[in-house]
Amino acid sequence: RKEVEQDPGPFNVPEGATVAFNCTYSNSASQSFFWYRQDCRKEPKLLMSVYSSGNEDGRFTAQLNRASQYISLLIRDSKLSDSATYLCVVMGSYSWGKLQFGAGTQVVVTP
Amino acid sequence: DAGITQSPRYKITETGRQVTLMCHQTWSHSYMFWYRQDLGHGLRLIYYSAAADITDKGEVPDGYVVSRSKTENFPLTLESATRSQTSVYFCASSSGTIQETQYFGPGTRLLVL
Repeated sequence: RKEVEQDPGPFNVPEGATVAFNCTYSNSASQSFFWYRQDCRKEPKLLMSVYSSGNEDGRFTAQLNRASQYISLLIRDSKLSDSATYLCVVMGSYSWGKLQFGAGTQVVVTP
Repeated sequence: DAGITQSPRYKITETGRQVTLMCHQTWSHSYMFWYRQDLGHGLRLIYYSAAADITDKGEVPDGYVVSRSKTENFPLTLESATRSQTSVYFCASSSGTIQETQYFGPGTRLLVL
């Protein structure tokens, strides 16, 4: 079983709609959580960190559920520019060596 | 404002050859990382470095060697390339604390024939 699992998608979303997807992780000792965005054939870029109480950054909302060991990302009022692959990143034990990336969830926003 | 650069951007080599991928950052970040990205696996950490002359293994270090004699450079060497090392390689850097953003280079696409 992979340590970080994501639905690969694609999630096809009409422009203006809301899309949400999850990422599950297997290590209950994981300490830090992030969402990165990766455009086609380009480098990943940090979208947002995920805090225990949940957090928002504009149209993006991230949630953490430690009991069920998943994090989620919700995108409201989707824009064409939101089309990308979203990578879930989990770190255990505050060690860079324990950083785990999910394989990504592809989102395609259509006009 | 170069940030983090990688060279070459594309490389074709043959099985058994030694290949070195270069990574250079201009931010004086303490931490640097090498990842490989393959379909279905996501990014996997190969090696990382906390400072000059300090390196440590990641998830998939076998077949790779790193060095860090200067803070700004973190070359990755494939000692004897294999077809299974065909991948996209990303270098990244971070200023230090665990919560800090990692900044990625543009990647090197390596094909081993």
